[in-house]
This record gives sequence, C-alpha cells and structure tokens, in this order.
Amino acid sequence: DAMVIQNPRYQVTQFGKPVTLSCSQTLNHNVMYWYQQKSSQAPKLLFHYYDKDFNNEADTPDNFQSRRPNTSFCFLDIRSPGLGDAAMYLCATSRRLAGSGYNEQFFGPGTRLTVL
Amino acid sequence: KQEVTQIPAALSVPEGENLVLNCSFTDSAIYNLQWFRQDPGKGLTSLLLIQSSQREQTSGRLNASLDKSSGRSTLYIAASQPGDSATYLCAVRQQQRGSTLGRLYFGRGTQLTVWP
Repeated sequence: DAMVIQNPRYQVTQFGKPVTLSCSQTLNHNVMYWYQQKSSQAPKLLFHYYDKDFNNEADTPDNFQSRRPNTSFCFLDIRSPGLGDAAMYLCATSRRLAGSGYNEQFFGPGTRLTVL
Repeated sequence: KQEVTQIPAALSVPEGENLVLNCSFTDSAIYNLQWFRQDPGKGLTSLLLIQSSQREQTSGRLNASLDKSSGRSTLYIAASQPGDSATYLCAVRQQQRGSTLGRLYFGRGTQLTVWP
C-alpha cells in the first residue's frame, strides 16, 4: 500500500547531541511537510518542501534543518536538541494539483523524540 | 491569521450515541477542510476531506458538513463505538498565499471517549 513511513518510531538522544529523523513516501507526492506536536497541542508546521523548494516557517528555530534529496525522502535534522524539543515529529505529504490546488494531506505514524 | 477552534475539548459518551463535533475557523477563504483522527502516541489518519465548493462528505458512519460562509464544520458520528475513542482534529487549508501555499491550520482537537 502507498504510504508515509517514518523511522525510527522512537528516538532517544542526549541534550545537545545531533539527531536525524527520516521520512519516506511511496505516494509520489510533490509536497512534504514536517510538523512538531507536543502533548495535547495541535501539530505545528516547521517547514515544507514543494519539490526541491524549501519553505521555512518564520518561527521555526534555527536548530531545526531539513533535507530532501529526492522525491521520496525527507529528513529532519535537530542540530543541538534541548529538553524543549522533546515531542512527536510528524511527516506528511500532499500533491499540489494543477491550478494551485492540493489534495488530501497524508501523515506518517510519527517519531517520538525523547531528550535526556 | 487563520484561527481554528474545536468544541468541545473533550467528550465522554456511552456506546451507541450519535455525536456531533464542532469546528470553527475565522477566515472563510479556505481551499478545503480535512478531519483527522489521532490515537494516543500515533500519527494522524485522514477521515474526510471537504472541498470549499462542497457542503458535505460521508464515509461509513461519519458525515462531515461545511458551511464556509459562517466558518463552521461539523463531524457527525453515528452509533458510536468504543473503537471510535481517539482525538479528532479539524484542519483547514488556506487558498494560495505566497509561502504559506498548501499549509494546514489545525484545531487543538476533541478528545472522544466512548465507553461500553
């Protein structure tokens, strides 16, 4: 089945130790998103790619970076994780349609990040 | 800036009841609206997508309506079951506006518990 896959599902890192989260998709969607979600809060968009065009949200900390080497894969790099970065990180995809529309947004299962 | 509100924040009902979850948004210039389900510690599962030109969408026991002019959507769940217990999130997609193209604005969700 076509889907959005995230690895690992659970990640534990130490304060200040860089970590990379991975997302892959078999939907062949041209847009990929990274969200941060903390307990009982709405997902917060960090950035998104339309093909290779990177779009950063204004309030996304510089500590968060992203790479999209090809259509299928997207990575979230946290350069120096702090305790406040502990959260669920969600990857999502969507297809931009002709005429500037979008179809549904599909989410992966998420990666739960713990910072010790 | 688009604001999405969901009422109630939590709901607990006995099995078999018909439910209505509410979502309101402040900017009616939306492209579409999506309802998601999120189980604890998991990603988001798309339930229904309503385009701005549509009034409602149905999938099994779920029915979602959209009144764009008044900035409201409702999710109706018929004959609720314990397996419906989850958090339900509403998200609206804005019409094309520069770098926020395709962005979803989320509510904080309604946490539903259906007890046997």
